[in-house]
Amino acid sequence: NAGVTQTPKFQVLKTGQSMTLQCAQDMNHEYMSWYRQDPGMGLRLIHYSVGAGITDQGEVPNGYNVSRSTTEDFPLRLLSAAPSQTSVYFCASSYSPTPAWNSPLHFGNGTRLTVT
Amino acid sequence: GQQVMQIPQYQHVQEGEDFTTYCNSSTTLSNIQWYKQRPGGHPVFLIQLVKSGEVKKQKRLTFQFGEAKKNSSLHITATQTTDVGTYFCAGPNSGGSNYKLTFGKGTLLTVNP
Repeated sequence: NAGVTQTPKFQVLKTGQSMTLQCAQDMNHEYMSWYRQDPGMGLRLIHYSVGAGITDQGEVPNGYNVSRSTTEDFPLRLLSAAPSQTSVYFCASSYSPTPAWNSPLHFGNGTRLTVT
Repeated sequence: GQQVMQIPQYQHVQEGEDFTTYCNSSTTLSNIQWYKQRPGGHPVFLIQLVKSGEVKKQKRLTFQFGEAKKNSSLHITATQTTDVGTYFCAGPNSGGSNYKLTFGKGTLLTVNP
């Protein structure tokens, strides 16, 4: 089991460029999510999905798009990168999409993104 | 919106000293989770507390959930250098969509050997 796999590990973009951060999990988890982590800000939810074909916004969705065409994959798209999007991005998945949160989040190793 | 606050933001201890981090929610939580993130790593799940007043132990770590289910704490006895990292609490959103897990900003623990 690879768990949650994120690619790339590092990325440098110029302002205005677009890119897609990849996330894949092999645990058959229904729930997947994207967080960004900035110094002193903790982990902030960008978008999440409770199953294939279903996505919703988190706390900081502006400037990001997601789609969930399969259970395994949940890519995060930056449409026009800005310096404010410089951050570490974590993808996380969970078995249970219910509000009871009976199962924990499994995090990927993260993508460190710098926008110049 | 729901807020989950953690204190302190930073804590530096000598190896062997105890450490406690506190988590407070602006709303009642159905449950609370704790995660640890080593420097340069990713958050890793430690434990989940569900019941009011619940206390759980993992070796030197003791987790408590408050009676009102609005606060929680993590206590580490006799810290070791392997305890270094950031400890996060997280709780499900109480209003609107409950499919969101809100994290506190974390407490960074450093241990002087």
